[in-house]
Amino acid sequence: SQKIEQNSEALNIQEGKTATLTCNYTNYSPAYLQWYRQDPGRGPVFLLLIRENEKEKRKERLKVTFDTTLKQSLFHITASQPADSATYLCALEGTNTGKLIFGQGTTLQVKP
Amino acid sequence: NAGVTQTPKFQVLKTGQSMTLQCAQDMNHNSMYWYRQDPGMGLRLIYYSASEGTTDKGEVPNGYNVSRLNKREFSLRLESAAPSQTSVYFCASSEVGTLIDQPQHFGDGTRLSIL
Repeated sequence: SQKIEQNSEALNIQEGKTATLTCNYTNYSPAYLQWYRQDPGRGPVFLLLIRENEKEKRKERLKVTFDTTLKQSLFHITASQPADSATYLCALEGTNTGKLIFGQGTTLQVKP
Repeated sequence: NAGVTQTPKFQVLKTGQSMTLQCAQDMNHNSMYWYRQDPGMGLRLIYYSASEGTTDKGEVPNGYNVSRLNKREFSLRLESAAPSQTSVYFCASSEVGTLIDQPQHFGDGTRLSIL
């Protein structure tokens, strides 16, 4: 069956460290993968998109990798800050559907 | 910049009641979407509209209907609410057709409880 898996356990890290969140998928062959941030009581906000031919993409303190062999994307936040505390969602194309399928999200807590 | 606006923000209904969730976007986007978000389930697509005048079912369409009123507005209707429809509902829009390489822009949701 098709699955997108993000770590359901919250990730707690110390301010200044690098946070790494994982998105694994099975039985999909996405051409694109997206990452969103969601704060409590708010809608998701788009952060980054990475295409299958882009191994890595960066935006300020954010870095995303996309390994189509491992069927995995990693999302890194360097020099993390308490303001980075949120839930992070990955999303990819459902095979031949043209529609986004979302993971359940991982909650990141950055402690000062 | 308003972006995607959803109304109401909160609603409590009794089983069997009907209601319409409203969504409007001011970004001139072609595509609009309705999702529901439940704990541990992630966002699940209910219905989408690739362009004005078209609508199509998503992953969990049963119990819902939609109307793409014009390019700006996309409403979601619960004809006979059931407790299983208690959820947070999000509307989203994106720029071009159903190309999923376009980011989706979300509203802040409607929190719906069915008693």
